[in-house]
Amino acid sequence: DSGVTQTPKHLITATGQRVTLRCSPRSGDLSVYWYQQSLDQGLQFLIHYYNGEERAKGNILERFSAQQFPDLHSELNLSSLELGDSALYFCASSEAGLSYNEQFFGPGTRLTVL
Amino acid sequence: AQTVTQSQPEMSVQEAETVTLSCTYDTSESDYYLFWYKQPPSRQMILVIRQEAYKQQNATENRFSVNFQKAAKSFSLKISDSQLGDAAMYFCACNDMRFGAGTRLTVKP
Repeated sequence: DSGVTQTPKHLITATGQRVTLRCSPRSGDLSVYWYQQSLDQGLQFLIHYYNGEERAKGNILERFSAQQFPDLHSELNLSSLELGDSALYFCASSEAGLSYNEQFFGPGTRLTVL
Repeated sequence: AQTVTQSQPEMSVQEAETVTLSCTYDTSESDYYLFWYKQPPSRQMILVIRQEAYKQQNATENRFSVNFQKAAKSFSLKISDSQLGDAAMYFCACNDMRFGAGTRLTVKP
C-alpha cells in the first residue's frame, strides 16, 4: 500500500459525459501528479501540482482539467468524454516537487467510456 | 524536452537467469535522476531503483542493478536470479514525469 488513495476504482460512463477522479496523496506529500495509461501503453504525464499550484503540464487535453485543494487532495475533471479517453488514470504523490523525489502511485481509476 | 526510449517491447528470461532491460534517454538538464518502475498484473506502479546522474557508481537494490552510461545516455536494468514474481511491465523514467513505453518481462519456470 503506497498510502495514495484514488476514488473511484472503476468508472463506466457514456460519451459526452463528465467525470471527476479524486486523489488523496500520502500524508505530508505536497506534490500530486496525474497520468493516463491507455491499454498496453506507457504512462502519459498529464499535470503536476505542488502545494495547490500548477507546476507542470504534459499532454493534457483542453477537455481535461485538474486542481489541488488546500487539504492537498486533487481532482481530475474529464469532460465531453470520448471513447479514446478510456484508460487507467494514475495519481502519484511525492514529498516535494523536485525531480529526484520518488513518486508513490495510487492504485488507479479505470475509466471506461461506452 | 526529455524523451525516454525503451527499444524492447517484450523480453523473456528463464527462472534463476539474468536479464537486462534497455533504456536510453535524452535530456538537456545537467543534473537529473533516472528511475525504473515495475508494473505487475495488478497495475500498481512500484519503484524498483533510482540513479542520480551525478553519481558515477551504479545503483543496486538486492537483485536489481543498473548500468548507467552517462555519455551514451543509457540506463539499463539488470535483474539477477530472476523469479516468477519479477514478471511485469518495466518502465524507465527520467526525472519522474517522462516514461518510456515499457518492456513486458516474462519469466519462464
